[in-house]
Amino acid sequence: GESVGLHLPTLSVQEGDNSIINCAYSNSASDYFIWYKQESGKGPQFIIDIRSNMDKRQGQRVTVLLNKTVKHLSLQIAATQPGDSAVYFCAENKNTGKLIFGQGTTLQVKP
Amino acid sequence: DTAVSQTPKYLVTQMGNDKSIKCEQNLGHDTMYWYKQDSKKFLKIMFSYNNKELIINETVPNRFSPKSPDKAHLNLHINSLELGDSAVYFCASSQGGGGGEQYFGPGTRLTVT
Repeated sequence: GESVGLHLPTLSVQEGDNSIINCAYSNSASDYFIWYKQESGKGPQFIIDIRSNMDKRQGQRVTVLLNKTVKHLSLQIAATQPGDSAVYFCAENKNTGKLIFGQGTTLQVKP
Repeated sequence: DTAVSQTPKYLVTQMGNDKSIKCEQNLGHDTMYWYKQDSKKFLKIMFSYNNKELIINETVPNRFSPKSPDKAHLNLHINSLELGDSAVYFCASSQGGGGGEQYFGPGTRLTVT
């Protein structure tokens, strides 16, 4: 079956450093990937997305990289801030509206 | 504020009871969803409605019944609650049922005792 997985359940970084959160997916037919951020007690919040015809997409302080050869997706956060502390999910959307979420990586930012 | 809202935020009930969770969005979206998040934070889609029509119905016990009275509302009714139903339930909405950014509500934490 299809699945989306993350490499590490927890990532701890120093404030100001860059963070890299990784995700692996198994379905090579996937065509749309999204990163969500979930703060404690809140619903997931859209960060950035990327389509399968792209390798890289940049937002404000965030970059998503897609490597279709190894079916790997990463989220890079520049100059990590305490407000970035949250659980980060990658998700796959095959244009059916059905989001398949990965397990989540908890990002802890140390002051 | 424009948003996806859910009520109640917390729901504690006993096994065997029937309960409902309500969701409303004022974003003008035509598609709404219900997700379940378990204690390990795993998020899984349950249902999706587009223009009040059911388009996604995952393998969910038929004790769960979604109802969409209009495009802005999607309610979730659960019959004969079981301990395993304890979770956080999220409503979401998007424009178009084929993909695109989904906006999530704040969640309803359901505890079945």
